[in-house]
Amino acid sequence: EAGVVQSPRYKIIEKKQPVAFWCNPISGHNTLYWYLQNLGQGPELLIRYENEEAVDDSQLPKDRFSAERLKGVDSTLKIQPAELGDSAVYLCASSHRGQGFDEQFFGPGTRLTVL
Amino acid sequence: KNEVEQSPQNLTAQEGEFITINCSYSVGISALHWLQQHPGGGIVSLFMLSSGKKKHGRLIATINIQEKHSSLHITASHPRDSAVYICAVSAPGGNQFYFGTGTSLTVIP
Repeated sequence: EAGVVQSPRYKIIEKKQPVAFWCNPISGHNTLYWYLQNLGQGPELLIRYENEEAVDDSQLPKDRFSAERLKGVDSTLKIQPAELGDSAVYLCASSHRGQGFDEQFFGPGTRLTVL
Repeated sequence: KNEVEQSPQNLTAQEGEFITINCSYSVGISALHWLQQHPGGGIVSLFMLSSGKKKHGRLIATINIQEKHSSLHITASHPRDSAVYICAVSAPGGNQFYFGTGTSLTVIP
């Protein structure tokens, strides 16, 4: 079974440029998460989807970040315009309900460097 | 306010040593997860538990629901165990997660 796929793996851009990340979750997983991870820190939730609905986007900086999950499968996360402080690893994860609770599966992440 | 606290933040051990990483949480949970992240690598789930103890190879995870505390033990540590170990909890309902900041483990040959 294929895992969570993310692309690109690495991205270097100049500040004020736009950038987009793509995620393909594990087939059949209804819940999809986008996290931001800074060096030496745990993942911080940006947005959580249940199918195509964003059910928790309280931590998403909506002035520059946007996300979508059309058809409840693939998802894209966009930053426009990027700032220096956005340099981080962006993780996508998906989960399914089993035995009363979810187990998350993580993608390899996209390492963003903003110059 | 951190819902999940881990200790220690950094840990260096000699190969063969017994290692313990601790996790405390302050919220109600449906399950606790131990995750492993190698440098530059993705996050892999090691354990998911809601009670008692689980063992997988040289790794053992325990949880005390009453004390809201979990431990991850590594027996006979090896340099390939060097990684960041992250404790996470899932809230009741199951699909909202809180993460600790991780414990960076280095095992020296």
